[in-house]
Amino acid sequence: DAGVIQSPRHEVTEMGQEVTLRCKPISGHNSLFWYRQTMMRGLELLIYFNNNVPIDDSGMPEDRFSAKMPNASFSTLKIQPSEPRDSAVYFCASRAGPRQQFFGPGTRLTVL
Amino acid sequence: AQKITQTQPGMFVQEKEAVTLDCTYDTSDQSYGLFWYKQPSSGEMIFLIYQGSYDEQNATEGRYSLNFQKARKSANLVISASQLGDSAMYFCAEPVGGSARQLTFGSGTQLTVLP
Repeated sequence: DAGVIQSPRHEVTEMGQEVTLRCKPISGHNSLFWYRQTMMRGLELLIYFNNNVPIDDSGMPEDRFSAKMPNASFSTLKIQPSEPRDSAVYFCASRAGPRQQFFGPGTRLTVL
Repeated sequence: AQKITQTQPGMFVQEKEAVTLDCTYDTSDQSYGLFWYKQPSSGEMIFLIYQGSYDEQNATEGRYSLNFQKARKSANLVISASQLGDSAMYFCAEPVGGSARQLTFGSGTQLTVLP
């Protein structure tokens, strides 16, 4: 199994630009999570999908952030427009049961 | 709300020795779980071990084991025979609401293994 796949691994963009982060969960996993990690706030949940349906997006910082999961094997997190304070590592994670949650390698986003 | 506390910002251990990383939680749920993750300098989050509140025995995975004490609400990670490659940040995490959904993380412990 390839594990959770995220792309790109690194993204550098300018303020105001649209950024799209991608995630492919582990095959058979029915829950998908997007987290953000910063030095100031640590790891925090942005949004959580179950069977492709968004369950909890209370962690999405503001309307500039949106996430979709059009099918069981793909999810996107979009920031439009991006701001320097969005610079962070964004992780996608998936699970098939309560005793596991596997993370992707993360996308390191830098907004100049 | 769930809160995970890791009181050791940094820990040092000599290679080949055992080390215990502390984690306390404050859930009031009857059924819950605790996760431990390792984050090396390369940045990925590596799942290490999981303990369920109703598991009859403390979880073990190779050199990793959990010292799970429900009465104290602690789930300390024990790493035996430390290796240089164990140097990393270690996070304790608990599912929100005890239902194994999204995780809430502690602030982490930076472990350094000395040669």
